[in-house]
Amino acid sequence: ETGVTQSPTHLIKTRGQQVTLRCSSQSGHNTVSWYQQALGQGPQFIFQYYREEENGRGNFPPRFSGLQFPNYSSELNVNALELDDSALYLCASSRNLAGAGYNEQFFGPGTRLTVL
Amino acid sequence: AQSVTQPDIHITVSEGASLELRCNYSYGATPYLFWYVQSPGQGLQLLLKYFSGDTLVQGIKGIEAEFKRSQSSFNLRKPSVHWSDAAEYFCAVGGKNTNAGKSTFGDGTTLTVKP
Repeated sequence: ETGVTQSPTHLIKTRGQQVTLRCSSQSGHNTVSWYQQALGQGPQFIFQYYREEENGRGNFPPRFSGLQFPNYSSELNVNALELDDSALYLCASSRNLAGAGYNEQFFGPGTRLTVL
Repeated sequence: AQSVTQPDIHITVSEGASLELRCNYSYGATPYLFWYVQSPGQGLQLLLKYFSGDTLVQGIKGIEAEFKRSQSSFNLRKPSVHWSDAAEYFCAVGGKNTNAGKSTFGDGTTLTVKP
């Protein structure tokens, strides 16, 4: 069983540019959550996608957007990059069943984004 | 609003010594609580979780955590630390059903193990 994978591993962009990060969820998982982890801090919830629809969003501006595809892989897009967007971006997948309470999240290794 | 506080930014223990990592949370309903570990360049690995029932939870790698509702705490303990336990440890609180998978994390505790 393949785990959660993310690409690219590292990325360097300049302020004002746009970036797309990708996440392949674990087999059988239908939900992907994205987190931003700034240096020295814990992960912060950006948003979640469930069956190709956004299913909740944290305190992030609209220039952070996402997609989930029919195979449940996902993209995180960030427009108009700012220096403070430099962080490790983690995705986590889970198999959420309606009314099942909670299902364990499995995290990918992350994409390290540096904005210059 | 939910929040998690990990009061200790950095802890150093000797190999073989016991370990306790502190976690305090704020959550409006019955919380789901988690401890994760993150090694350099790695994603997060779940160590243990608490949903309900027995307040002493056993996890992987000989780790346990105790949920204390009256203190809003979920402290992690390990009786004997190994050098390989050196890593960053995160406590998190989350919800269930529609709030599943939208966790709030603390800022972590870095564990250093002395030989």
